[in-house]
Amino acid sequence: GAVVSQHPSRVICKSGTSVKIECRSLDFQATTMFWYRQFPKQSLMLMATSNEGSKATYEQGVEKDKFLINHASLTLSTLTVTSAHPEDSSFYICSAWEAKADTEQFFGPGTRLTVL
Amino acid sequence: QQQVKQSPQSLIVQKGGISIINCAYENTAFDYFPWYQQFPGKGPALLIAIRPDVSEKKEGRFTISFNKSAKQFSLHIMDSQPGDSATYFCAAFDYTGKLIFGQGTTLQVKP
Repeated sequence: GAVVSQHPSRVICKSGTSVKIECRSLDFQATTMFWYRQFPKQSLMLMATSNEGSKATYEQGVEKDKFLINHASLTLSTLTVTSAHPEDSSFYICSAWEAKADTEQFFGPGTRLTVL
Repeated sequence: QQQVKQSPQSLIVQKGGISIINCAYENTAFDYFPWYQQFPGKGPALLIAIRPDVSEKKEGRFTISFNKSAKQFSLHIMDSQPGDSATYFCAAFDYTGKLIFGQGTTLQVKP
């Protein structure tokens, strides 16, 4: 299957700082990238859908000003957690999808964010 | 209508046994049903998937059974191995590309 990478894999930051997470599709062009959040022992919760060149669509209850998503190219989407607080600590996972090919979503390895 | 309900929450199976995980959905617009396997600290990986026009799909030790009229589908892991110990998620996929995940099942296969 296709490869999706995330960087960094793990980040620890102080409360109030901003953190940027990158998601890259390495061997295909992703028209859509999705961002999920997963708390310990829970399922993946979709945060937002990101289409290349357009504004992200956020799920209900997700603050768009706190979780800034940019999808500047068909292979890169970024999630910036602004003014992070301890309750933002979670496992953030992206996935990439090429709608035209009607293929599956390919998931990244995840980024563990810890806010002190 | 957007929910996918998964059971059981956890499952313990002896090595060589059959692991069965069940899911149910409400939205008939879903048209693709994948199962994902996730190890601790890793992203989910696609295990097997089925479309609603097929009642069963088998890949190696993994089989999906699909009941369209009941809006239910299940994952069977035959000859379960300790290496299968992981969390399994069913999901449903609609035409927008969105995946709706079940709650997850933590499987432990005892040697």
